[in-house]
Amino acid sequence: DTGVSQDPRHKITKRGQNVTFRCDPISEHNRLYWYRQTLGQGPEFLTYFQNEAQLEKSRLLSDRFSAERPKGSFSTLEIQRTEQGDSAMYLCASSLTQTGGYGYTFGSGTRLTVV
Amino acid sequence: AQTVTQSQPEMSVQEAETVTLSCTYDTSESDYYLFWYKQPPSRQMILVIRQEAYKQQNATENRFSVNFQKAAKSFSLKISDSQLGDAAMYFCACIIQGAQKLVFGQGTRLTINP
Repeated sequence: DTGVSQDPRHKITKRGQNVTFRCDPISEHNRLYWYRQTLGQGPEFLTYFQNEAQLEKSRLLSDRFSAERPKGSFSTLEIQRTEQGDSAMYLCASSLTQTGGYGYTFGSGTRLTVV
Repeated sequence: AQTVTQSQPEMSVQEAETVTLSCTYDTSESDYYLFWYKQPPSRQMILVIRQEAYKQQNATENRFSVNFQKAAKSFSLKISDSQLGDAAMYFCACIIQGAQKLVFGQGTRLTINP
């Protein structure tokens, strides 16, 4: 297991289209996080899972956004009816529950551009 | 909820010299962890150094060290003998013990001048 993988690396979509991103965490990590990062800013928390349960969602996560983690393994983040304001880097990270104090392992992100 | 502030959007330093990046945070909790992450142009966030709030001793990792001032809620990163590969965005972050999410500052873009 080489780390957290995200797919795709880049996505260009037209406004109004739906997009889905995938994240594969480190296999033994039971926590998975989604963050959004706009240009020149720090990552902002969107949501997190412990195993398959989605335990917290940020107010940033409008009803156009949905995330899943079936079977507690990989996760998907879907954005419906994309808007230009959704253009950002979407970062996935994972950790063991007990090691939040050791930080997270991040993936390389998916850069979304809505045109 | 905790907040993290980085007041230096950009910093630059000559290669081989020392640079300090500033970070302040705010939390009412007494048990938390602080981090510095590096995000190179290739984008993957890499953990540089971590500090446990209950430890008074400042963390050190090779050329990277921190100055942790708990009373002042300050957590600066010192990079000694700067190298070209240190050029990146640096983010300060905080997580409360038992809490669910890491909170980041706005970042500081570090440029290394050859």
